[in-house]
Amino acid sequence: DAGVIQSPRHEVTEMGQEVTLRCKPISGHNSLFWYRQTMMRGLELLIYFNNNVPIDDSGMPEDRFSAKMPNASFSTLKIQPSEPRDSAVYFCASSFHGSDTQYFGPGTRLTVL
Amino acid sequence: AQKVTQAQTEISVVEKEDVTLDCVYETRDTTYYLFWYKQPPSGELVFLIRRNSFDEQNEISGRYSWNFQKSTSSFNFTITASQVVDSAVYFCALSGDSGGFKTIFGAGTRLFVKA
Repeated sequence: DAGVIQSPRHEVTEMGQEVTLRCKPISGHNSLFWYRQTMMRGLELLIYFNNNVPIDDSGMPEDRFSAKMPNASFSTLKIQPSEPRDSAVYFCASSFHGSDTQYFGPGTRLTVL
Repeated sequence: AQKVTQAQTEISVVEKEDVTLDCVYETRDTTYYLFWYKQPPSGELVFLIRRNSFDEQNEISGRYSWNFQKSTSSFNFTITASQVVDSAVYFCALSGDSGGFKTIFGAGTRLFVKA
């Protein structure tokens, strides 16, 4: 069975541009999580969904960040406009339920120039 | 509030040495889960183990073993006879019912295993 799929794997963009990161969770998983990893702040939970509904978005840094999950097999994380401080690795993870083991995608390395 | 502390930022050992990575957690929940993940240099996060708060049995999986002690709020991870391929960052994590089972990660411990 395929694991969590993320695209793109690498993204380089210029400040002010819109960035969209994509995630396909493991089939059958009901919970989906977006994380950001930086050297300074470590691994931070941005938002998580349960049955396609956002449950906790308290980790979303500001209004420039938005996330959607239109169906059980797809989610997006959008940054508009992007800033250099958004440069990080963004991970998507999924689990059967919120408390179950989370399985992570390979991550998207975002660089904002 | 929930918290995970991995006091060891970096550890360096020589191949075949045993090494223990410490994890101390804080929670007021009676139901909670503890995890360890490995992040090798390639960057992916690999699940190693999940343990619930009602199961204090230690676990062994090959060269890996975990010691869960509720009395000291610790969930330590030991690698026996370390190998170069064990070089990675290891994260301990906690999720509990009061936090809506949001998972809190520790800062990670970077392990270097030298040949």
